[in-house]
Amino acid sequence: DIQMTQSPSSLSASVGDRVTITCRASQGISNSLAWYQQKPGKAPKLLLYAASRLESGVPSRFSGSGSGTDYTLTISSLQPEDFATYYCQQYYSTPPTFGQGTKVEIK
Amino acid sequence: QVQLVESGGGVVQPGRSLRLSCAASGFTFSSYGMHWVRQAPGKGLEWVAVIWYDGSNKYYADSVKGRFTISRDNSKNTLYLQMNSLRAEDTAVYYCARNSVEGAMVIGWFDPWGQGTLVTVSS
Repeated sequence: DIQMTQSPSSLSASVGDRVTITCRASQGISNSLAWYQQKPGKAPKLLLYAASRLESGVPSRFSGSGSGTDYTLTISSLQPEDFATYYCQQYYSTPPTFGQGTKVEIK
Repeated sequence: QVQLVESGGGVVQPGRSLRLSCAASGFTFSSYGMHWVRQAPGKGLEWVAVIWYDGSNKYYADSVKGRFTISRDNSKNTLYLQMNSLRAEDTAVYYCARNSVEGAMVIGWFDPWGQGTLVTVSS
């Protein structure tokens, strides 16, 4: 199985900050990576797929990049509604696997 | 709009069985693979199983293989998860989710997700 490691596990940031979350795969996944946002008590919501493609309706302040084993999710200017937990997921091979999550908290 | 609604969760004793359902609407259910993903309390996401759009193939996480069975009824637009020999570590919110690509027999990203149903395994 491909292991997905996110960093940091949590971070504190202020509204307007630029935030970057990293996801590292245990082997190359050829951009087969999705990012999800989850708020407490709610289901995950797709943000990006294919490492950098923004899902329809997702604000453009979210962006993704990377290649090979290393990928990043960037929020260019953190908004109050962005405080949540973020997960990466690889779909390069079965079983699909998730990172452990990054909780973005208010500073 | 596309909607997935899970049901069937509850409290069950270790070793017993439970069947979850996921009712789909707003899209051509028979054209999409479907997944179950779970989340233990306070923990991250764990993929459980997938079934292809036509039911021809199914894959499971090692943690549930031999105990859980995924199935679907395309005439009823419904996905199922039969859970047998339940253990305390199966306690989680169970989500159903649609596979990303219509008609594909490859696993992609998950979108959308249902609201989840809580399964608690406890004596």
